[in-house]
Amino acid sequence: DSGVTQTPKHLITATGQRVTLRCSPRSGDLSVYWYQQSLDQGLQFLIQYYNGEERAKGNILERFSAQQFPDLHSELNLSSLELGDSALYFCASSVGMDRNTIYFGEGSWLTVV
Amino acid sequence: AQKITQTQPGMFVQEKEAVTLDCTYDTSDQSYGLFWYKQPSSGEMIFLIYQGSYDEQNATEGRYSLNFQKARKSANLVISASQLGDSAMYFCAMREAIIQGAQKLVFGQGTRLTINP
Repeated sequence: DSGVTQTPKHLITATGQRVTLRCSPRSGDLSVYWYQQSLDQGLQFLIQYYNGEERAKGNILERFSAQQFPDLHSELNLSSLELGDSALYFCASSVGMDRNTIYFGEGSWLTVV
Repeated sequence: AQKITQTQPGMFVQEKEAVTLDCTYDTSDQSYGLFWYKQPSSGEMIFLIYQGSYDEQNATEGRYSLNFQKARKSANLVISASQLGDSAMYFCAMREAIIQGAQKLVFGQGTRLTINP
C-alpha cells in the first residue's frame, strides 16, 4: 500500500458526461500528480500541484481540469467525455516539488461508452 | 527531451531464476533520477527502486537491484530468485525537471515479465 488513495476504482460513463476523480496523497506529501495510462499513449503526465498551487502542466486536454484543496487532496475533472478518454488515471504524490520519489495510487479505471 | 527505452516487450523466466530487465535512457541533464515501477494485472503502480545519477553505489531493495552503468546510459533492473508474484508489467522511468520546482516522470513502454512455475 503506497498510502495514496484514489476513488472511485472503477467508473463507467457515457460520452458527453462529466466525472470527477478524487485523490488523497500520502501523509506529509505536498505534491500531487495526475497521470493517464492508455494502450496507445502509454503513461502520460497530466499535471502537478504543490501545496495547492499548480506547478506544471503536461498533456492535459482543455476538457480536463484539476485542483488541489487546502487539505491537500486533489480532484481531476473530466468533462465532455469521449471514447478515447477511456484509460487508467493515476494520482501520485511526493514530499516536495522535485527530486523526490513519486508514489502512485491504485488508479481509477474510466470506461466511456 | 528525455527518453526511456525498454527493448524487451515480454520475458519468460523460470521460478527462482534471476532476471534482468533492460532500460536505456537518453538525457542531456547532469543530475537525474531513475525509477523502476511494477504494475501487476490489478493495475496499481508500485515503486520498486530509485537510482540517482550521482549515486556511486548501485541501488538495492531486497531482491531488487539496479545495475546502473552511467557511461552506457543504462539502468537495468535485476530481480534475484524470482517468484510467481513477480509476474507483472515493469516500467523504467526517468525524472525530468519541467521547471524549477516541478517534475514529471518519463516512462518507457514497459516489459511484461512472466514467471513460470
